[in-house]
Parts: sequence; structure tokens; C-alpha cells
Amino acid sequence: GDSVTQMEGPVTLSEEAFLTINCTYTATGYPSLFWYVQYPGEGLQLLLKATKADDKGSNKGFEATYRKETTSFHLEKGSVQVSDSAVYFCALSDKEYGNKLVFGAGTILRVKS
Amino acid sequence: EAGVAQSPRYKIIEKRQSVAFWCNPISGHATLYWYQQILGQGPKLLIQFQNNGVVDDSQLPKDRFSAERLKGVDSTLKIQPAKLEDSAVYLCASRLGTSGGEQYFGPGTRLTVT
Repeated sequence: GDSVTQMEGPVTLSEEAFLTINCTYTATGYPSLFWYVQYPGEGLQLLLKATKADDKGSNKGFEATYRKETTSFHLEKGSVQVSDSAVYFCALSDKEYGNKLVFGAGTILRVKS
Repeated sequence: EAGVAQSPRYKIIEKRQSVAFWCNPISGHATLYWYQQILGQGPKLLIQFQNNGVVDDSQLPKDRFSAERLKGVDSTLKIQPAKLEDSAVYLCASRLGTSGGEQYFGPGTRLTVT
């Protein structure tokens, strides 16, 4: 079945550092790809998405590009802030499976001032 | 626009007891999901409703878990009897359409089984 693999955390960075969180996927069809964020004490929020190969999703300074050839959707940000500290989940959804979301295990990001 | 509402936010029960969670999706959203998020893992789908019909319950442990969505609006998820391994956050999400679009998540119910 479909699956998502994320780099393990926690990832600890200083403010203004460059962020990369790796995400690769396995899917039989042509899934849509997502990054969700979970801030402390809050619910999951959609951060960005891409629905087809070579699409770039972006939001709040975060970016990720749908790479079909490497089955990847890595999350990047040029300069992180303390307020970016959260858990980040990579996910996919496949129309063939009712568009349910399949999540990775999540990566904890801690940003120090 | 009001978001997805869930209650209770926290629940502590002993093993073999029963528990129920409630979800009120965003008004007009046709599709409703229940996910289980065990500590340190990503959410896993338990059941998906489209209006008041079940689309996918393949990962629902049907010997102890049950869910319903009356009139295609609110939904309840029940566990009876609970086991220690059911300790998790139970997330409800809803989506406007039936074939695509963003899922909106509620704050979740944190269940601790002792």
C-alpha cells in the first residue's frame, strides 16, 4: 500500500538557519502531496500542497517541490524562526483510495533563539 | 467559519471500560474522517464517511471500535472495551467535497487508558 517516510527528528536549529526536512513516498497511482504542521497544543493545519509532478507548494516561507522521478517532497525554508517550532507531517492522498491521507511519522522541529 | 469541533478534549479511563468521542464537522462538509494518532507516529485513518455512508473502514478494529454518522452531520466513535494500546489522540477531519479538496482537522481527543 501507499506509504510516506520522513527523516527522523528532532531537528534542532538556530534562528535564521536553513531548514530541510526530507520526505519520500511510495504510491501506486499519482497522489497529491501535502505538508501538515502541528503547533504545540493545536490541531493539524495544512501548510502546503502539490497535486502533480513538478508543482511547487509554498506558504509562510516554506516550499516543497513534487519530484516524481525521486518520489520526494522535501520541505525547505530559508530562515527559520522560533515560532516555526512544531511537528511537521508529510502526507499523500490518492484518489484511488478515497482521498484518505497517509501520513509519515512526523518530524519535530525545535528552533532556538 | 467555525472549525471542526470535538469533545471531550481529554479522557482517562481504565482498561475494559467503554468511551465515546463526538465530532461536529464544518457545516456542509460531506466527507468525515476519524484518525488515530499514537504518540510518536503520524495519524492513521480509522474510518471515512461520505454523507452518512461508510467509504472505508478497513483499518477499524471492528471487534471493539464502532462509529456512526447520523443524518450525515455529527459523528461518534466508540471503543468498547478499551485496551492499553488504544491510548492515543483521536482526530476528526472533514472535507467539503467527495472527490478532492483540503481536509480540516479538529483539535483531537487525547485518550489515556490505564
